[in-house]
Amino acid sequence: DGGITQSPKYLFRKEGQNVTLSCEQNLNHDAMYWYRQDPGQGLRLIYYSQIVNDFQKGDIAEGYSVSREKKESFPLTVTSAQKNPTAFYLCASSPRPGQGPPDTQYFGPGTRLTVL
Amino acid sequence: AQSVTQLDSHVSVSEGTPVLLRCNYSSSYSPSLFWYVQHPNKGLQLLLKYTSAATLVKGINGFEAEFKKSETSFHLTKPSAHMSDAAEYFCVVSSKAAGNKLTFGGGTRVLVKP
Repeated sequence: DGGITQSPKYLFRKEGQNVTLSCEQNLNHDAMYWYRQDPGQGLRLIYYSQIVNDFQKGDIAEGYSVSREKKESFPLTVTSAQKNPTAFYLCASSPRPGQGPPDTQYFGPGTRLTVL
Repeated sequence: AQSVTQLDSHVSVSEGTPVLLRCNYSSSYSPSLFWYVQHPNKGLQLLLKYTSAATLVKGINGFEAEFKKSETSFHLTKPSAHMSDAAEYFCVVSSKAAGNKLTFGGGTRVLVKP
């Protein structure tokens, strides 16, 4: 089945530790995105990548880092510099950026991160 | 610049009655508009999408939305609510000129009473 997988589903971290969230897609999409969702709020863009080996900061990139070494993978690291990391993190992908109307973004099931 | 306002944070309906979720947008460019649904602790699922074709857009699960440029609105409706429609709904705006970035509304939580 084609889709986007995120792991783990739940993640607990102690303060001061870095943690990496996994996102994999087998849809052959060029673009991938990371969003953060806080209770009762919409999603906010952390980082996005339109092509392998390239990525851009979104609206709330501070305290986060990403890599895009493979087309199908876009891991997100939440560093100890992120002041309030407890949230629900969603990864998304879309077919091709920048041509015609915006493509639909398809979302993974999410990872809930809790900092203890 | 682009923004989205969902006018109701919570909507409560009885099963079998119509559902109306209101959304107003602001965009300096020709927008694409989306409605997504999110069930608890799940990812987002696309309900429907408007991209400058027909102004009345039909989506999955009996939902539809109408793009009204003069009112800058993109309200979501369903004639008859089902218990499985209980979820959170997000109205989203995007445009090529904004780098295809999605801007989300704050969400509307729908409660369906039996």
